[in-house]
Order: sequence, then C-alpha cells, then structure tokens
Amino acid sequence: KQEVTQIPAALSVPEGENLVLNCSFTDSAIYNLQWFRQDPGKGLTSLLLIQSSQREQTSGRLNASLDKSSGRSTLYIAASQPGDSATYLCAVKRNTGNQFYFGTGTSLTVIP
Amino acid sequence: NAGVTQTPKFRILKIGQSMTLQCTQDMNHNYMYWYRQDPGMGLKLIYYSVGAGITDKGEVPNGYNVSRSTTEDFPLRLELAAPSQTSVYFCASRGPGLAGGFEQFFGPGTRLTVL
Repeated sequence: KQEVTQIPAALSVPEGENLVLNCSFTDSAIYNLQWFRQDPGKGLTSLLLIQSSQREQTSGRLNASLDKSSGRSTLYIAASQPGDSATYLCAVKRNTGNQFYFGTGTSLTVIP
Repeated sequence: NAGVTQTPKFRILKIGQSMTLQCTQDMNHNYMYWYRQDPGMGLKLIYYSVGAGITDKGEVPNGYNVSRSTTEDFPLRLELAAPSQTSVYFCASRGPGLAGGFEQFFGPGTRLTVL
C-alpha cells in the first residue's frame, strides 16, 4: 500500500520568504504526483501535476520537483504572500489501479 | 464552466437516517471519485467510477453506496447514518488518460454531521 507523508504539519513564515513543502511516498512505482491547495472550508484546487517521467513543473511562483527513486517531492513557493496561507496537500497515483493516495497536508501561514 | 458541483453544502442527519449526496461534472470526464476528509487524517477514497455503469470500492466503502447511470452524475448514498460518518465529503473527476493528464478536479464539498 502507498503511504504518503507531509512534514511539517504546520509552517509559519514571514511575508516575502521563500519556502519548501515536503511530500514523501513509500512506493516509487508512481504514475504521477499532484499538489493541491485547500482554503478553510473549501474544496481542493489543483496547483501542479508532475508525471513520473518529469523532474519538475513550474507555475508562476510555484515549482514542484519529483525524485521517484528517493520517494520525495517538494513544492517551492517563492516570495511568499499572505494570500498563500492555506493547507497544501500532495496526492500520488500508482502505476497500477485508479486510486490516488493523499498526504495529510501542511498548513501554511504567511505573516504580513 | 461549472466544473464539479456538489449538493447540499451542509446537512445534519439523525442516527439511522439516510441521504444522498449529489455530484455532477460538466467536463465529460470518465473517472469520478468520492472521498471523505476527517481532521488530521487526509482524504480517504470511498468509491470511484471509471465510466457510466462501472463502479468500484475504495479504502472505506462500508456504509455507503454509489451508482453511475450517466457520465455527468455520481451520487453517494448513505444508508443508516452513524456518528462515524460525520465528515466532509468531496467529489472529484478526472479526464480519460493521456489527454486528460490524470489531473483531478474537486467539488466544494458537503459537510455532514450525524447526531
């Protein structure tokens, strides 16, 4: 079974700081990995999707990397803003089956 | 484009009651999913569907049922509600494969309380 871990569970940074969120998974036979943002009381918004053949994806101030062999992905947020405050989740799809496995998320607070 | 819509947004049930959570997507996606999200526990897959008429169990299917009669709709049925089913329920969909990139799109959720 695939286990997905996100550490730390919570993170607080001052505005303008660059930061890295971590996602670890136990089974490296993955098809893709997806990063989401969730605001309080809301659904999940897709941020970035990395296919297993890719090493990284970028969207604006966000950059996600993938290292399958070590079972790790990072989400880099540049020049953080208070509007980035949310919970960030990663989800992994294995090569077989249709199921996605989610981490428990990192709650980010950006202090003005 | 509405994307994935869910109704209702909130619901309070008494123990033993039944209800149906509605989910509709307008992206012509084959794959649809139902998850529940409990505090500190991440999202757990309840049921999923790979197309109209085809459904399968996820990690936590007990106490739930689904049907998929059309591509657009994927309702989740709770029979004999129990306090353990208090949770936030999310419906999601994704495209057919390489063209769709396997990216999941989520609805806004239904917050259910069973008392």
